[in-house]
Amino acid sequence: AQSVTQLDSHVSVSEGTPVLLRCNYSSSYSPSLFWYVQHPNKGLQLLLKYTSAATLVKGINGFEAEFKKSETSFHLTKPSAHMSDAAEYFCVVKGNTGFQKLVFGTGTRLLVSP
Amino acid sequence: GAGVSQSPSNKVTEKGKDVELRCDPISGHTALYWYRQSLGQGLEFLIYFQGNSAPDKSGLPSDRFSAERTGGSVSTLTIQRTQQEDSAVYLCASSLAGQTNQPQHFGDGTRLSIL
Repeated sequence: AQSVTQLDSHVSVSEGTPVLLRCNYSSSYSPSLFWYVQHPNKGLQLLLKYTSAATLVKGINGFEAEFKKSETSFHLTKPSAHMSDAAEYFCVVKGNTGFQKLVFGTGTRLLVSP
Repeated sequence: GAGVSQSPSNKVTEKGKDVELRCDPISGHTALYWYRQSLGQGLEFLIYFQGNSAPDKSGLPSDRFSAERTGGSVSTLTIQRTQQEDSAVYLCASSLAGQTNQPQHFGDGTRLSIL
């Protein structure tokens, strides 16, 4: 079975400083991993995905994530936070055999202060 | 192009009533998914459609919940005899296919409140 653990429920940064949102996964198979963002009263928007190609994945809005199999991690980073980045971020895992539903982490709320 | 459309965006109803939630997926997406997002439970998978059939309905919490999809497009999630614990945001997603790594695209959800 697949699972993800988001290590921080809240992360606070100042505008212009780097962002690090941590995620560890557990999977019996070579997983597909995703990061989604959810702004208030909105659905989830895909930021980026890893599907066993390049381990460093670049997404939208300057975000990127690195798949590290040895550490079973898929942390999300951004060099410089913007006020508009304040939202809830979900790390998601999906198995690669047959239909595998998305399994969501509990989410990390990113707070950005001026 | 148009994204996943859900209606209504908000629904308030009395305990014991039936509700229907609608999802209109992205055109051409054969796979459709329903999730529930509630406080304390996070995001939970409910049901998956491939075309009009539902190969995986393992996440439906009780027999009061049902869903159908017609014409390989619009899907309806029905909750009968609603209970207060059904209050949540119900999210629909669609993708090009279910058994690949195609990303799922989400609608804005229906916020359901049971009084």
